[in-house]
Amino acid sequence: DTQMTQSPSSLSASVGDRVTITCRASQSIGSYLNWYQHKPGKAPKLLIYGASSLQSGVPSRFSGSGFGTDFTLTVSSLQAEDFATYYCQQGYSTPYTFGQGTKLEIK
Amino acid sequence: QLQLQESGSGLVKPSQTLSLTCAVSGGSVSSGGYSWSWIRQPPGKGLEWIGYIYHSGSTYYNPSLKSRVTISVDNSQNQFSLKLTSVTAADTAVYYCARAPRGWGYLDFWGQGTLVTVSS
Repeated sequence: DTQMTQSPSSLSASVGDRVTITCRASQSIGSYLNWYQHKPGKAPKLLIYGASSLQSGVPSRFSGSGFGTDFTLTVSSLQAEDFATYYCQQGYSTPYTFGQGTKLEIK
Repeated sequence: QLQLQESGSGLVKPSQTLSLTCAVSGGSVSSGGYSWSWIRQPPGKGLEWIGYIYHSGSTYYNPSLKSRVTISVDNSQNQFSLKLTSVTAADTAVYYCARAPRGWGYLDFWGQGTLVTVSS
């Protein structure tokens, strides 16, 4: 299985901050990397697919980059509604696997 | 807008079978181009992709669960289902259903999830 490792596991930030979350794959996955936002009690929400494609309806302050084994999710200016847990997930090879999550908290 | 809603038993005894259904609205499970997945998250742990099914009935199961999992689809009822046999406390989790565009490996619509507790 392809292991996905996210860092940091938690992050404190303020509204308006720029934040970056990283995700590393244990083997090359090309651009088959996806990012999700998850709030307690809600359905997870797809933010980015194919490493850098913004899902329809997702604000442009979210962006993704990377290829191969190293990827990043950036939020250019945090809004109050962005405080949540973020997961990366590889869709290159089955079984598809997720990172352990990054909890973004208000400072 | 596509919506998915999980339902089923919230409490299952050890060694018994967990059964969940995902009702799809605003779209059809029989439309080509998508797979329909189950994912779970044990308390305090990460997400695990259980498996998926196409409207044709073709399935993929995570090898870690393959011997105990069955996913089926009911095109007439516009729903798909999960059965997990011989459950233990380790199967306690929030279970999600979701849709994935074929060939892309990402999940574009999810249900809100349902907690299943395995306990006597």
